[in-house]
Amino acid sequence: AQTVTQSQPEMSVQEAETVTLSCTYDTSESDYYLFWYKQPPSRQMILVIRQEAYKQQNATENRFSVNFQKAAKSFSLKISDSQLGDAAMYFCALITGANNLFFGTGTRLTVIP
Amino acid sequence: EPEVTQTPSHQVTQMGQEVILRCVPISNHLYFYWYRQILGQKVEFLVSFYNNEISEKSEIFDDQFSVERPDGSNFTLKIRSTKLEDSAMYFCASSDSLEQETQYFGPGTRLLVL
Repeated sequence: AQTVTQSQPEMSVQEAETVTLSCTYDTSESDYYLFWYKQPPSRQMILVIRQEAYKQQNATENRFSVNFQKAAKSFSLKISDSQLGDAAMYFCALITGANNLFFGTGTRLTVIP
Repeated sequence: EPEVTQTPSHQVTQMGQEVILRCVPISNHLYFYWYRQILGQKVEFLVSFYNNEISEKSEIFDDQFSVERPDGSNFTLKIRSTKLEDSAMYFCASSDSLEQETQYFGPGTRLLVL
């Protein structure tokens, strides 16, 4: 069975500062992918970043980067130079060969002007 | 940039009524999915669909649910006899054959069952 745990229900960050959202996961599969999705108040799910488990290099997308620690089964998201538009729920998700996403419970990020 | 679209954005229905939620996946995608998110809870997988048949379904996807690809562009989720607990946000997603694991979501349909 696959599980995804987000232990921070809420986080806040000052505009222009950096924030890190935590995620741990568990799977017995060796081949899997990890994702961060953003859900703004409109409730649309927007893909932020993806990481292949077989790649040691951490993924980066502009201001968003991950810290993937495979042995620890940890997959945190770092948002640099936070902007007001980053305020949203952030979901960590895992997919294995079954090809359905397992989501965490989410972290609500508030950006303080 | 191509997007997944869903209609309607909101639907209110009476308990026991049938509803059909519609999705237009990204045009070159071959894999389609439905997820739901009850208010305040996490997103849960319902069903995946490929080559005109269900690939996988969760325990939530019981006999009240069905999916169909009636033509070359639409992908629908039907709930035959809605229950109060079916009230949720329903998301459609799609992925292509090159990066099947990367799913792109539509904006969702907010279903309220009264």
